[in-house]
Amino acid sequence: NAGVTQTPKFRVLKTGQSMTLLCAQDMNHEYMYWYRQDPGMGLRLIHYSVGEGTTAKGEVPDGYNVSRLKKQNFLLGLESAAPSQTSVYFCASSSPPLGYGYTFGSGTRLTVV
Amino acid sequence: GNSVTQMEGPVTLSEEAFLTINCTYTATGYPSLFWYVQYPGEGLQLLLKATKADDKGSNKGFEATYRKETTSFHLEKGSVQVSDSAVYFCALSDRGGNTPLVFGKGTRLSVIA
Repeated sequence: NAGVTQTPKFRVLKTGQSMTLLCAQDMNHEYMYWYRQDPGMGLRLIHYSVGEGTTAKGEVPDGYNVSRLKKQNFLLGLESAAPSQTSVYFCASSSPPLGYGYTFGSGTRLTVV
Repeated sequence: GNSVTQMEGPVTLSEEAFLTINCTYTATGYPSLFWYVQYPGEGLQLLLKATKADDKGSNKGFEATYRKETTSFHLEKGSVQVSDSAVYFCALSDRGGNTPLVFGKGTRLSVIA
């Protein structure tokens, strides 16, 4: 059982380049989330989705876009990367009620130079 | 809005020492409370949870009690091991799990032999 899989695991981008981070879950969860983790800042929510075809903004959505075309996949896009987007990105999934909490992926470490 | 405040780290303890990591929260209504753990190079894993006042969550020797009167959910362990070295996050959500988790900034624990 794979759980939540994130690709790629590492990436270096130049300022202004674009990329897409892929998150895939095989647990039939309704909800999916993208967080970024920065030193001293904890985890901050970027965008989330409560079902196929739906997305919503989180705490720090600027500079990112997302899509949830299939229930099992949640894509995070950076259209024009900036050094401030250097971070570790985590995807998670869940189904309400939160008795079992979130299942997290292992993260994508992104460096923008 | 909802928020979580954790004690600043890092925390360094000797093996078999007693651990307390403080967590207080601000929330409307009656949230569910969680502790997550992140081992080096990995995503977050659910450690324990509590969904109503006076509930005690427990797992792997860790415990936390939901204290509504003090809006707290402190994490404790009677005797830490080197393998407990990790970052610990306190988090909350609304009771039904319909709003995304809000995380504290995390507390890094290092246990030395």
